[in-house]
Amino acid sequence: DGGITQSPKYLFRKEGQNVTLSCEQNLNHDAMYWYRQDPGQGLRLIYYSQIVNDFQKGDIAEGYSVSREKKESFPLTVTSAQKNPTAFYLCASSALGLVYYNEQFFGPGTRLTVL
Amino acid sequence: RKEVEQDPGPFNVPEGATVAFNCTYSNSASQSFFWYRQDCRKEPKLLMSVYSSGNEDGRFTAQLNRASQYISLLIRDSKLSDSATYLCVVMNTGNQFYFGTGTSLTVIP
Repeated sequence: DGGITQSPKYLFRKEGQNVTLSCEQNLNHDAMYWYRQDPGQGLRLIYYSQIVNDFQKGDIAEGYSVSREKKESFPLTVTSAQKNPTAFYLCASSALGLVYYNEQFFGPGTRLTVL
Repeated sequence: RKEVEQDPGPFNVPEGATVAFNCTYSNSASQSFFWYRQDCRKEPKLLMSVYSSGNEDGRFTAQLNRASQYISLLIRDSKLSDSATYLCVVMNTGNQFYFGTGTSLTVIP
């Protein structure tokens, strides 16, 4: 079955630690995205990538880093510089091209809690 | 100004009722429009795309008004299983997606 997987589902981090969230897709999508969702708020874009070895900052990139070494993988690192990292993190992917209505598909998310 | 704005609700409606959600967007050059559904503590899932001519999928009808820059979702004959948060999503040039904060719906027996 095609889809997006994220791991781990739950992650606990001590203050001052960096952690990496995994995101893998087998949909052959060119574009991948990382969002953060806080209670009562919409999804906010952290980083996105439309091609291997290239990515762009979203609205709230400070304290996060990403890599895109393979088309199917887009890991997110939450660094110690991120002051309030406790949140629900969602990875998504979509096709690119001249056709509109390239919907986004989401992974099941990772809940990060800082202790 | 936010890219996408929605009334957060909550909407509490009885089973069988008809309920409508509206959403406005700020960028007139927006290309594609969607409604997603998000259940508690789960990821968003596509409910339906919103086409210029309007479209219907069973009990769900979506409309787009480009002149006024708003999108609507109508749910007829509400079921208990429709209880969720409904997200309005707009895609602009460059394949960037913008999400509303969501509208919460609870269908009451």
